[in-house]
Amino acid sequence: GAVVSQHPSWVICKSGTSVKIECRSLDFQATTMFWYRQFPKQSLMLMATSNEGSKATYEQGVEKDKFLINHASLTLSTLTVTSAHPEDSSFYICSASPRGRLNTEAFFGQGTRLTVV
Amino acid sequence: KNQVEQSPQSLIILEGKNCTLQCNYTVSPFSNLRWYKQDTGRGPVSLTIMTFSENTKSNGRYTATLDADTKQSSLHITASQLSDSASYICVVSDNAGNNRKLIWGLGTSLAVNP
Repeated sequence: GAVVSQHPSWVICKSGTSVKIECRSLDFQATTMFWYRQFPKQSLMLMATSNEGSKATYEQGVEKDKFLINHASLTLSTLTVTSAHPEDSSFYICSASPRGRLNTEAFFGQGTRLTVV
Repeated sequence: KNQVEQSPQSLIILEGKNCTLQCNYTVSPFSNLRWYKQDTGRGPVSLTIMTFSENTKSNGRYTATLDADTKQSSLHITASQLSDSASYICVVSDNAGNNRKLIWGLGTSLAVNP
């Protein structure tokens, strides 16, 4: 199956600093990638849709200036949490679907555990 | 309102036993229904994906069923193993044409004990 790689798998940062998370589709091209956030014992919550070569689409309530998304190539999307605060501590997961198959199986990265201290 | 409800919320079984997880949904229009397995601290891994016309689909020891009339699905796990301990999430896609419109259940937390 298709592989989506996310890096880093965990990160600890100080309050006020920025953290970048990478999401790569290793063996397919993805014009669209999705970023999710998951709190303990809760389901995944879509934050934004990352579109290659254009601006990301953010879900209601998600601050676009705080969660910067860049999708510069067909295999890489990045999520930058700017000026991180302890309440941003969460599990962040990306997903991607092969180009032209947007409504079929989505492949997920292994997730990034962010802890802001 | 589009919703996906799963039951039970949690389940404990002994290794080697079978179990069935339930999913009811009210998503409309309907495109497909997926079951994912999520280990603690990991991203979800797809088990099955079924469209409207499919009643059952198997993936090894996992068998999913779908009744589009009653809007119910089940995931049956046979001969459970310790590695089956995880959260099992039912996800329904509406007919919006892309994976943005995924309606997520809260999952069933399964613990398989020796």
